[in-house]
Amino acid sequence: DAKTTQPNSMESNEEEPVHLPCNHSTISGTDYIHWYRQLPSQGPEYVIHGLTSNVNNRMASLAIAEDRKSSTLILHRATLRDAAVYYCILRDLNTGGFKTIFGAGTRLFVKA
Amino acid sequence: GAGVSQSPRYKVTKRGQDVTLRCDPISSHATLYWYQQALGQGPEFLTYFNYEAQPDKSGLPSDRFSAERPEGSISTLTIQRTEQRDSAMYRCASSNLAGGPTGELFFGEGSRLTVL
Repeated sequence: DAKTTQPNSMESNEEEPVHLPCNHSTISGTDYIHWYRQLPSQGPEYVIHGLTSNVNNRMASLAIAEDRKSSTLILHRATLRDAAVYYCILRDLNTGGFKTIFGAGTRLFVKA
Repeated sequence: GAGVSQSPRYKVTKRGQDVTLRCDPISSHATLYWYQQALGQGPEFLTYFNYEAQPDKSGLPSDRFSAERPEGSISTLTIQRTEQRDSAMYRCASSNLAGGPTGELFFGEGSRLTVL
């Protein structure tokens, strides 16, 4: 299973953009890049996913490097509610993406 | 149902007892996952089902752990002869089989197991 590497923690000020990095240097061509987040005392929730192109949705943007060895989750204006652990995950098309492995994630602190 | 439902929410048991946790996935979802999450850690993959088939059990930590989904809907995770190191949050998730590697996982609220 391809692995991802994320910083243990990051800090942001409220209403400022946040860029959460993820390295996945051993990514294969059939791996989709997913991001989930886990708010305190809750289960993980889906944020966004992509394969090669940058993606935007109502929650965030995903910027994928041209060589796909890294990606960045962008929260455009952090709120206190965005304080959570953010997980970068690879899901392989060849195996149906079913064995979904979470790492330790990045704990995001948001200061008022 | 409207979301993934897990029961019990909390379970306290004595070392050596057997425990069964239940997961009721979103009704249209064929794929069901089990994860174990220790305090302060990310969720650890245990196993998954597509309908009643269980293609991957590689994450189950020992033969004391087993999971079933006999009718392709509700699933149970059983831990036999519980040990203190089994204390964790057990999370169930479901997803639409057709989504494959792009499908969203929907998580339940989890079952917190404490082994004394």
